[in-house]
Amino acid sequence: GIQVEQSPPDLILQEGANSTLRCNFSDSVNNLQWFHQNPWGQLINLFYIPSGTKQNGRLSATTVATERYSLLYISSSQTTDSGVYFCAVGIQGAQKLVFGQGTRLTINP
Amino acid sequence: SAVISQKPSRDICQRGTSLTIQCQVDSQVTMMFWYRQQPGQSLTLIATANQGSEATYESGFVIDKFPISRPNLTFSTLTVSNMSPEDSSIYLCSVALAGVGEQFFGPGTRLTVL
Repeated sequence: GIQVEQSPPDLILQEGANSTLRCNFSDSVNNLQWFHQNPWGQLINLFYIPSGTKQNGRLSATTVATERYSLLYISSSQTTDSGVYFCAVGIQGAQKLVFGQGTRLTINP
Repeated sequence: SAVISQKPSRDICQRGTSLTIQCQVDSQVTMMFWYRQQPGQSLTLIATANQGSEATYESGFVIDKFPISRPNLTFSTLTVSNMSPEDSSIYLCSVALAGVGEQFFGPGTRLTVL
């Protein structure tokens, strides 16, 4: 099956710093989503981005489908950005998602 | 998007018992899914809940252990049967809206088995 790899696994930053999270996938996809799981376990949709670039406030994402990777950018980090960021992909013809192992982001004040 | 609720939000259960988790969405959706997140791990798909027919299970998950119902387009249940401590996880339902590829997740049910 499709493999989804996220890097780095852990990231510790000071408030105000910028960060880039990466998601590599091993096959063609028709769906790619970025999620933020907060400390209470809730999974929050950040981006639905099977290709192209999107921005939402301090967050932006880029997916290069032909090269099978996606990037999530977080600028001017805040402590509330802490949590685990997941990339998940859907393969052609199927709507189920395959998740990466996540990047745990800790923002210190 | 969709508003998804799950009941219960958390529970502590004894070994050998069963727990049924409910997922309710505020609009008719084409696809409903159930995922498991074991402590410190990522999410793994258990099954696709099919309306009016048997669920489609992923490798490693069986109907006897995780029976699923979906009586209509807005509601589904997942039962965790004959529980053991290894079943302690967060269980999440997700939905995909008609014509929209994006999936949305419920708040999850945090299960602890003693």
